[in-house]
Amino acid sequence: ETGVTQTPRHLVMGMTNKKSLKCEQHLGHNAMYWYKQSAKKPLELMFVYNFKEQTENNSVPSRFSPECPNSSHLFLHLHTLQPEDSALYLCASSQDPGTGNQPQHFGDGTRLSIL
Amino acid sequence: GESVGLHLPTLSVQEGDNSIINCAYSNSASDYFIWYKQESGKGPQFIIDIRSNMDKRQGQRVTVLLNKTVKHLSLQIAATQPGDSAVYFCAGLHHNAGNMLTFGGGTRLMVKP
Repeated sequence: ETGVTQTPRHLVMGMTNKKSLKCEQHLGHNAMYWYKQSAKKPLELMFVYNFKEQTENNSVPSRFSPECPNSSHLFLHLHTLQPEDSALYLCASSQDPGTGNQPQHFGDGTRLSIL
Repeated sequence: GESVGLHLPTLSVQEGDNSIINCAYSNSASDYFIWYKQESGKGPQFIIDIRSNMDKRQGQRVTVLLNKTVKHLSLQIAATQPGDSAVYFCAGLHHNAGNMLTFGGGTRLMVKP
């Protein structure tokens, strides 16, 4: 149990579908993150939310739309995805990104496959 | 910008031996580093961290060494066990990059019985 829960664990969708990934953290943290993990590539930061406000958008295509209704929940809305978007999507949280010197805690990810 | 890389994609060790996984970073302003372990089907799990004002930190069976002169850090695992088999990532951070972590590509550690 990492304290960060992601659902669903696996998702298969067509390019025209709309779906959402959900992340919930039970650690009382103030910052939440979305990462993309593709095979044989380093983790890529997508979005950062700090106290529910988006502070980073790492040049992510608009077909990925994040939502952070509160400090414990984070969503990633997906629409009109491409085959190259197939990857493991990881959510993470940390106590306070302001200082930076603290580890991020990761969920187990959603394995996304685009048909 | 920051880049963090790993010297070897795969490391194979005998059970009971010590393992050393290496990582190099490019930005001398990086001041915080983390090692993560990722098992199959799971997310990265925090192992140990180190701040730039230290050159060594020890945990349970793990030691991280930081050499700021050559911008290199390593993770040492003592008495490697089958449960240590996983992919290990280093990540670095510096405040000039908005406190965002930059991850290396990962080294797969395989433990032979």
